[in-house]
Amino acid sequence: ETGVTQSPTHLIKTRGQQVTLRCSSQSGHNTVSWYQQALGQGPQFIFQYYREEENGRGNFPPRFSGLQFPNYSSELNVNALELDDSALYLCASSPIGQGYEQYFGPGTRLTVT
Amino acid sequence: SQQGEEDPQALSIQEGENATMNCSYKTSINNLQWYRQNSGRGLVHLILIRSNEREKHSGRLRVTLDTSKKSSSLLITASRAADTASYFCATDLTGANSKLTFGKGITLSVRP
Repeated sequence: ETGVTQSPTHLIKTRGQQVTLRCSSQSGHNTVSWYQQALGQGPQFIFQYYREEENGRGNFPPRFSGLQFPNYSSELNVNALELDDSALYLCASSPIGQGYEQYFGPGTRLTVT
Repeated sequence: SQQGEEDPQALSIQEGENATMNCSYKTSINNLQWYRQNSGRGLVHLILIRSNEREKHSGRLRVTLDTSKKSSSLLITASRAADTASYFCATDLTGANSKLTFGKGITLSVRP
């Protein structure tokens, strides 16, 4: 297992609600990336945070937002939840730069009804 | 959109046999990585191969990279039932700084 933790493990929300997912990165890693994995698909890059600032964003609307804290932990916030937001949300940490593997957490399973 | 395309989509083999999985991609990369995922949980990093490398080994794993064909293969030798999982290739595109682009994955079943 990696040193990346995520909470909660599972979450059920209603369409239109807001949700916050949390991630603690591996010790010594200053970069956190978030991915969305729909059922039967590969993970899709949402965004990356480095030194508390967004450092790249995938093809996701602004209602997906995030934060990174001084201890490198991170939050993913999703507003106005839609049914298609139901997915496994994965957090991954790594050192900044190219050529590094990602250390993934166990994920948060979000179900929107 | 998916950068990497894995092939085949599903693979079923007998324990002890070798499993070969392929991945193709479209644009220039810094490196290509293979990950394993068990039962929809977190991904586990298996191996990373850089764009200037052609072959790499790690235990029972062998990965090759052909940048001229924009393709990679992952070979698992002497498979075990515990290798049953989904396998993903992920590309770290040039200039992307570890923002990975994943394929849809390959489901490997190893029969005891």
